[in-house]
This record gives sequence, C-alpha cells and structure tokens, in this order.
Amino acid sequence: AQRVTQPEKLLSVFKGAPVELKCNYSYSGSPELFWYVQYSRQRLQLLLRHISRESIKGFTADLNKGETSFHLKKPFAQEEDSAMYYCALSSGSGGGADGLTFGKGTHLIIQP
Amino acid sequence: DAGVTQSPTHLIKTRGQHVTLRCSPISGHKSVSWYQQVLGQGPQFIFQYYEKEERGRGNFPDRFSARQFPNYSSELNVNALLLGDSALYLCASTPRPSGLSYEQYFGPGTRLTVT
Repeated sequence: AQRVTQPEKLLSVFKGAPVELKCNYSYSGSPELFWYVQYSRQRLQLLLRHISRESIKGFTADLNKGETSFHLKKPFAQEEDSAMYYCALSSGSGGGADGLTFGKGTHLIIQP
Repeated sequence: DAGVTQSPTHLIKTRGQHVTLRCSPISGHKSVSWYQQVLGQGPQFIFQYYEKEERGRGNFPDRFSARQFPNYSSELNVNALLLGDSALYLCASTPRPSGLSYEQYFGPGTRLTVT
C-alpha cells in the first residue's frame, strides 16, 4: 500500500529564513509526487510536481528515490508563504485512477 | 470559469440518514474525483469517474456511491450516515485520468456534519 508521511504538523520560521517541509513516501513502483498548498480561506491547489522540475513561488522539491523523500524547500521564507502544505503521491499507473494519496499536511507559519 | 463548484456548502444530517453531494467540474474536464477530508488529516481518495464510468475506488464501504452525468457533473451519495462520516468532502476535476499526472483542480468542498 502506498503511504505519504509528513512528520511535522506545524512548522514556524522567521521571515527570510530557509524553509524545508519534509515528505517521505512508501511505494513499490515509480510514483509521481506533488505538493499541494491551501492558503487561508482558499481551495486546495497544486504548487508543484516532481516531473516538471520547476520552481514555483521560489519553492523547489527534488525526488530522492533512494531516501523515498520529496522535501519542499525555499531559501528565504516570505509571510505570504504561510499556509497548509500537503505532499501527495500518485501511482502513475492505471491511468491515475487510484487517485492521490495525501499526507496529513504541515501548517507553515512565517513570523515577521 | 468559476472553477470546480460544489453544493451545498455545508449541511447537517442525523445518523442513519442519507446525503447527496454535488459537483460541477471545470468546463472541458471529463474526469471527477471525490475525496474525504477529516479534520486534521489530508484528503482521502473515495472515487474517480471518467466518461460516466467508475475508474477507481478508494478504501470506503459500500455505503458510499457516486455517479457521473452526461454533462460530466457528479453526485456523491452516502447512505446510513455514521458520526465518523463528518468531514469536508472535496471534488476535483481533471481533463482526463492519465499517467501523465494531470493537475487536479479542487472545489471548495462540502462540510458535512453528522449528529
């Protein structure tokens, strides 16, 4: 069975400090990994996906298959980064019909 | 486009009752997925529908069922409600289900409270 673990329920950092939100997964095949974000009073939205290897709003995430991790990083946190962050996994097979498996989420608070 | 819409926004039901939740996908999106989000947890996959057929199902009892209509909108039905069914129910749409990891666009959710 596939599983996504986000060990930190809450992460508080000061503005300008580096941020790292941890995500570990378990899956026997080749998964597709995503980070979704939910800002206050907004709906859940995609932040980035590993296959795109892109940087969105200064965030990056590298898939480490050896450590089965997909940590989200940003070198300098901004106050508008405060939000709930979810790591998610798709098996990538079967047409994605097994949906996304989400972690429990990390609440990121950026202090001024 | 207003994005994915869901109705109602919230509702309160009694144990044993039945509930129907509705979802309209983004125009042009043919696949709809349903998720349950219990307080303090991440969303949990319930169903995926594409072209009116169930394409995937999560680990939920048979009390949960869904269908998709010709206009690609969808309903989620839950029978014999339990207190544990209290949650935020999210609908997400994509152009089609595929191994190419299409982005899922989420609706605002329906908050169900079972008393």
